[in-house]
Amino acid sequence: GDKVKQSPSALSLQEGTNSALRCNFSIAATTVQWFLQNPRGSLINLFYLVPGTKENGRLKSAFDSKESYSTLHIRDAQLEDSGTYFCAAEEGNAGAKLTFGGGTRLTVRP
Amino acid sequence: GGIITQTPKFLIGQEGQKLTLKCQQNFNHDTMYWYRQDSGKGLRLIYYSITENDLQKGDLSEGYDASREKKSSFSLTVTSAQKNEMAVFLCASSIQFYAEQFFGPGTRLTVL
Repeated sequence: GDKVKQSPSALSLQEGTNSALRCNFSIAATTVQWFLQNPRGSLINLFYLVPGTKENGRLKSAFDSKESYSTLHIRDAQLEDSGTYFCAAEEGNAGAKLTFGGGTRLTVRP
Repeated sequence: GGIITQTPKFLIGQEGQKLTLKCQQNFNHDTMYWYRQDSGKGLRLIYYSITENDLQKGDLSEGYDASREKKSSFSLTVTSAQKNEMAVFLCASSIQFYAEQFFGPGTRLTVL
């Protein structure tokens, strides 16, 4: 099965609303990164997390290594938030390799 | 700050051809990576290099070679392009092993 499973696979939000994306891990994740891939294909770094939480503007992310999941909360969604969100986990005994989830395709509509 | 440059942006090859993709970073990062992304999917690691003279295979190394020419550059070679090699190849770097990774804009490969 998937080592990093993202849900939902696709999401449509009304501008101004809030939502949460989730990653579940079947590996012993030690760090998590969240990225936004924009329509041009560039990967934008959002968060780099050890267990705990981080906040940046309208985005907040949490990583619970014991329960093996991470979440990304989007508050007051804007049109420019549209794109595909990826989480990636670093496994403790697997070196610096990131294992990516399949992504959540987010569409924010006016 | 710094940037990661990948060349070419678009690469069109013939089936069976040997093709080389290049990546340069000016972050002065130790570790560099090559990933492949198929349409609508997540990224999969092909090769990585922890430091200048190091080379490590990722999960998808068969059919590829890599070369870390110097600290700032990391090349990937598709040894014999196949029809199912149509994908985007993304280069990344991190300041050291076990650190946040930063990505280049990608090379889109199409095999005719």
